[in-house]
Amino acid sequence: GDSVTQMEGPVTLSEEAFLTINCTYTATGYPSLFWYVQYPGEGLQLLLKATKADDKGSNKGFEATYRKETTSFHLEKGSVQVSDSAVYFCALNTGNQFYFGTGTSLTVIP
Amino acid sequence: GAGVSQSPSNKVTEKGKDVELRCDPISGHTALYWYRQSLGQGLEFLIYFQGNSAPDKSGLPSDRFSAERTGGSVSTLTIQRTQQEDSAVYLCASSLAVAGGSYNEQFFGPGTRLTVL
Repeated sequence: GDSVTQMEGPVTLSEEAFLTINCTYTATGYPSLFWYVQYPGEGLQLLLKATKADDKGSNKGFEATYRKETTSFHLEKGSVQVSDSAVYFCALNTGNQFYFGTGTSLTVIP
Repeated sequence: GAGVSQSPSNKVTEKGKDVELRCDPISGHTALYWYRQSLGQGLEFLIYFQGNSAPDKSGLPSDRFSAERTGGSVSTLTIQRTQQEDSAVYLCASSLAVAGGSYNEQFFGPGTRLTVL
C-alpha cells in the first residue's frame, strides 16, 4: 500500500548549519507530497507542498523537490535557525487518503 | 475564517470511563480525519469521513473506538471503557476536495490531550 518513510531523528544541528531530512514514498498513483511542521506546544501546520513531479515546494527558507524517479521529497534548508526547532512530518495524498511519516525531531542549538 | 477546532483541549479521565471528543472542521470541508499522536510517536491514522460516511475505519484500534459525523460537519470520536494506553493527543483535520477528486492539504486542529489515570 501507499506509505511514507522518513529519516529517523532526533537531529541536532548548530545554528546556520545545512539541514536535510530524507523522505521517500511508495504510491500506486500520482500523489501530492507535503511537509508539515509541529512547533513545540503547537498543532501541525503545512510547511510546503508539491503536487506533481519536478515541482519544488518552498517556504520560510525550506525547500523540497518532488522526484518521481527516486520517489523522494527530501526537505532542505541552507542555514537553520534556533526557531526551526520542531518536529517535521512528510506526508502524501492519494485520492481521499493521507499518509504521514513518523516525524523527525530537529533541535537547533545556538 | 475559523480554523479547525477541537474540544475539550484537555481531558483527564479514570480507567473504564467513556469519553467523547469533538471536532469542528472548517466550514465547507468535505473530508474529516482523526489521528492519534502518542508521546514521541508519529501520527496514527484512526478514521476518515467523506461527508457523513466513513469509507475507511481501518485505523480504529479496537471496538471500544467509534466515530460519527453529522450534517457533514461536526464529528465526535468516542472511546468506551478507556484504558491507560489510550492516553495520547487526538488530532482532527479537515480537507477540501479539489479538481480530480484529490485533496490539496489538511488543516489540523489543536488536538485534545487525553490522559487516562
